[in-house]
Amino acid sequence: NAGVTQTPKFRILKIGQSMTLQCAQDMNHNYMYWYRQDPGMGLKLIYYSVGAGITDKGEVPNGYNVSRSTTEDFPLRLELAAPSQTSVYFCASTAVGDTQYFGPGTRLTVL
Amino acid sequence: GDSVTQMEGPVTLSEEAFLTINCTYTATGYPSLFWYVQYPGEGLQLLLKATKADDKGSNKGFEATYRKETTSFHLEKGSVQVSDSAVYFCALSAGGTSYGKLTFGQGTILTVHP
Repeated sequence: NAGVTQTPKFRILKIGQSMTLQCAQDMNHNYMYWYRQDPGMGLKLIYYSVGAGITDKGEVPNGYNVSRSTTEDFPLRLELAAPSQTSVYFCASTAVGDTQYFGPGTRLTVL
Repeated sequence: GDSVTQMEGPVTLSEEAFLTINCTYTATGYPSLFWYVQYPGEGLQLLLKATKADDKGSNKGFEATYRKETTSFHLEKGSVQVSDSAVYFCALSAGGTSYGKLTFGQGTILTVHP
C-alpha cells in the first residue's frame, strides 16, 4: 500500500512552459485535493475532486487545471507557467469524513 | 469564511521543555479540528484530531482539546525532544458539504535543541 504518490519530486520550468504534476492513490479514496504551500504560509487549496469525473475549484485555482478520469489519479496541469507559481505542491486524499493523507510533495520553481 | 490563526513562530526550545502552540479558529457550524506535522523534506502527517467540543486528541505525547467556548485547539506537549523539530499546522474541516476540504493556519516552526 503506497498511499499517495506524487511525481516529479522537483522541477524547474521556464516562464510560459507547461507541465503536469502527477498524483495517484491506492486507497480507493473518493476525495482528492491539490494544495500549494508557499514559504511561511499554510497550505492553500487549488482544486478538489469528490469522485471520478467531478472536480471543483478551491481557493487559488487561477493558472491551473485538473481532471479526474479514474478514482486513483488526479493530475494537476499548469499552463503558461509564471514565477508566482513557484511553490511546493501537495496532493491529498481521503475517504468520506476521514483523515486526509498527503503525498510527499513536488517542489516547482519557475524562472 | 472559515479561518485558522496560529501563534507566530518560530519557536525554539531546549529538550524536555514544555510546548504550547496556540490555535484559534473561525467557522460556522461544528468543524472538526486537526494538528498536522511536517518533518523536513516530507509531506504532512496527521498528528491528532478532535471532532466535537470538549474532545481531546492525543498522539506521541502531544495533546489538544477542542474548546468551543474559546474557539481554540491549542497543541501541548509536556517534554519535547529534538526529534519533535518540525512545522506544525492547525487545520479545520467544516464538515457537511465541505467535502473534507481543510483550511490551514500558517504553520509554526518548532526547533528543539539538545
